[in-house]
Amino acid sequence: KNEVEQSPQNLTAQEGEFITINCSYSVGISALHWLQQHPGGGIVSLFMLSSGKKKHGRLIATINIQEKHSSLHITASHPRDSAVYICAGVNYGGSQGNLIFGKGTKLSVKP
Amino acid sequence: DVKVTQSSRYLVKRTGEKVFLECVQDMDHENMFWYRQDPGLGLRLIYFSYDVKMKEKGDIPEGYSVSREKKERFSLILESASTNQTSMYLCASSLSGELFFGEGSRLTVL
Repeated sequence: KNEVEQSPQNLTAQEGEFITINCSYSVGISALHWLQQHPGGGIVSLFMLSSGKKKHGRLIATINIQEKHSSLHITASHPRDSAVYICAGVNYGGSQGNLIFGKGTKLSVKP
Repeated sequence: DVKVTQSSRYLVKRTGEKVFLECVQDMDHENMFWYRQDPGLGLRLIYFSYDVKMKEKGDIPEGYSVSREKKERFSLILESASTNQTSMYLCASSLSGELFFGEGSRLTVL
């Protein structure tokens, strides 16, 4: 069983829909990253959070450390949001070498 | 703007060749990482470095080595490339938890 599980694996939405991607983890972590990867490879860090909620534009990330769960929400989705979204937990110990990655959620937003 | 630059976006090499993948960051970050990404397996850590001349093995170091002679540059070396090293290679750097990735290098070994 993977230590970081994402759901769904694939998601297709219509433009304008509200989207939720979930991330659950079975190990102790001190923080969690949400990453975005567009076709072609480059990865961009969207959020790093260790508690509560963060918002940036149409993106909202929440985390509940006790329940070992995080969600990424996209409001008013747009075709340019089509990408793979990856969550990654930072293992206790703090070293960024101890990131544990989920396998990613492939999002496709249709116009 | 913060930048992590990988030297080659696409490479095609032959089995047995020595391959160098270069990564340069302009942010004075101490931590740098090399990952490979394969379908169905996600991102896996090959090596990371937390300072000049320091290196730590990640989850899959076999068949790879690294070099960090200067703070801004972290090189991944495949001493003798094999077909199972065909993959997307991603470099990253970090400071205080913020992560920055390069564009990736897609390596094909024939």
